[in-house]
Amino acid sequence: KNEVEQSPQNLTAQEGEFITINCSYSVGISALHWLQQHPGGGIVSLFMLSSGKKKHGRLIATINIQEKHSSLHITASHPRDSAVYICAVRGTGNQFYFGTGTSLTVIP
Amino acid sequence: KAGVTQTPRYLIKTRGQQVTLSCSPISGHRSVSWYQQTPGQGLQFLFEYFSETQRNKGNFPGRFSGRQFSNSRSEMNVSTLELGDSALYLCASSLGVAGYNEQFFGPGTRLTVL
Repeated sequence: KNEVEQSPQNLTAQEGEFITINCSYSVGISALHWLQQHPGGGIVSLFMLSSGKKKHGRLIATINIQEKHSSLHITASHPRDSAVYICAVRGTGNQFYFGTGTSLTVIP
Repeated sequence: KAGVTQTPRYLIKTRGQQVTLSCSPISGHRSVSWYQQTPGQGLQFLFEYFSETQRNKGNFPGRFSGRQFSNSRSEMNVSTLELGDSALYLCASSLGVAGYNEQFFGPGTRLTVL
């Protein structure tokens, strides 16, 4: 059983659509991270959350600690948002656990 | 500020050999973490170093080891390479302890074991 589950695995959207990627986890956590990985491998950290909600430009991340669930929203999606989005948690035992990623393709 | 650098970027080795990968963190960052990424297993945590001390280790065999130097640069070593060690190895640095601070990732070292 994976400690971190993401859905959907694959997502195709039209440019301008509102996108939601979900992450559920089964361990106690100290923090949750959303990462973006473009083709070629480079990873960028988008958000680090331990409670509530954060917003950077068109990206919004929320976390519900009681429900052990986080969502990443992209408003007004753009083809440059096409990437793999990975949810990662730092467990209270200091281990890192990763979701398998959501592959997003935004079509112009 | 220069980003996280990893050397070499690409490496081809044969089974049984050993390999050393290097990571230079962003200046001022004291934490370096290493991760392995494969198509089958995705991203997996290898180890985390902070101020030259290993804070955490993932579920990998003892063939995987690492260290951090006083200038925060880090190396990881894999001995007796196996085909399954073929992967993208990523390091990430942060100001403070990884997981509680934003991590900045390097471009990775792609290791192929033949």
